[in-house]
Parts: sequence; structure tokens; C-alpha cells
Amino acid sequence: DTEVTQTPKHLVMGMTNKKSLKCEQHMGHRAMYWYKQKAKKPPELMFVYSYEKLSINESVPSRFSPECPNSSLLNLHLHALQPEDSALYLCASRRISGNYGYTFGSGTRLTVV
Amino acid sequence: SQELEQSPQSLIVQEGKNLTINCTSSKTLYGLYWYKQKYGEGLIFLMMLQKGGEEKSHEKITAKLDEKKQQSSLHITASQPSHAGIYLCGADTGNQFYFGTGTSLTVIP
Repeated sequence: DTEVTQTPKHLVMGMTNKKSLKCEQHMGHRAMYWYKQKAKKPPELMFVYSYEKLSINESVPSRFSPECPNSSLLNLHLHALQPEDSALYLCASRRISGNYGYTFGSGTRLTVV
Repeated sequence: SQELEQSPQSLIVQEGKNLTINCTSSKTLYGLYWYKQKYGEGLIFLMMLQKGGEEKSHEKITAKLDEKKQQSSLHITASQPSHAGIYLCGADTGNQFYFGTGTSLTVIP
């Protein structure tokens, strides 16, 4: 299995809802990432997990809460989002040691209404 | 922080024409990646370059990394409508990954 799987592919949520995005990989990668991409902009890094521990938080608002329950799974919990949080959310993973590439998921298209 | 500048920002070409997209880094790169993205969709991995002077090709797309590992070019030969999309370069700095500013490619049949 050489893929990063993200679910759901599309999500519409109200500003008072609580939802979660899920990212899963079975390649043994111990670094996992969340990116946010607005329309016509490159993806921007949000969080980095190394060995299931949060190593980088790029000043992301607390309404986004990441979680890495095991080495294969990365979640992004969403609560009280704003319409401007509507974007494509991308997950990626990679091996930590050695010159190995990043593998990206196909993303979750989030719309906040 | 790492900065990756892509040029041109957008490109419109006639089908069958060749084109080149450039990606310039402010720092030496550990690895340089090229991705393609259709609007609203995920990233499609194209190629990864690690060694100075390295060149890789896949079908009609060729990517090069210069000797100093601070600039890469992506060349498409005989462009087709299927090549249309946004091309992003990405840099591995050793512990983080940054994306370039992106190039939007339109291919007119």
C-alpha cells in the first residue's frame, strides 16, 4: 500500500458543528502532516507529527485540533470554524530517516456555511 | 524560512507547443519535488530530484535540478490539453516541506 487515504473527500459543515478529517497510511511513515490550501494558493503547512508527537504547529487557531492516535492515523478535529476556513485540507506522510519523498493524499474539500 | 519562487505565474500555450516552468529557491535544496494539481483536487506527484545536475523524464515531462541545487525547471514537450493544471514545486529542507508559488498552465486545443 503506497497511498495516503483521506476521508471524507468533501465536507460541508455549519459554524457550530464539530467534525473530523481523517488521514491514514500503511507505509510505515512516522512523519505526518496537515496542510491547508486556499483557492489559487499553494498549500500551507499547519501541523507536523513525528513519531506520533506534535513537533510543529504553524500558529494554527485552536478551532483546529490535530490528533495522531497511532503511527498510521492522523485526525484533524474541527470545531466552531469560520467560513474563511473553507479550503482543501491535504495530508502527507514520509519516512523520517533517509532521503525519502513525501506522499500526499487527495485532500478533503471543506466548506463552512 | 525557505522561499520558492515559480515563474511564470501563469502560462497559456497552444496545443503542441513546448513550455518551461522555473522554480528558484532562496536556499540549497535537499530535495526538489514537482506536483501537478487540477483545480480543487489533490496533488499528483510528478518527479523528485535530489542531486545537483540531475534530470528526470516521464512521458513528455522533463525536470532538471541545477548543479547548485537552488533552481529547477520543468519542461513539457508537445503540450496537450491534459497537461493543463497548476504546477507546484516543493522543497524538502530536511525537516519541513515548502511549496512554490505555483504556475497555472492552460493549453488551448
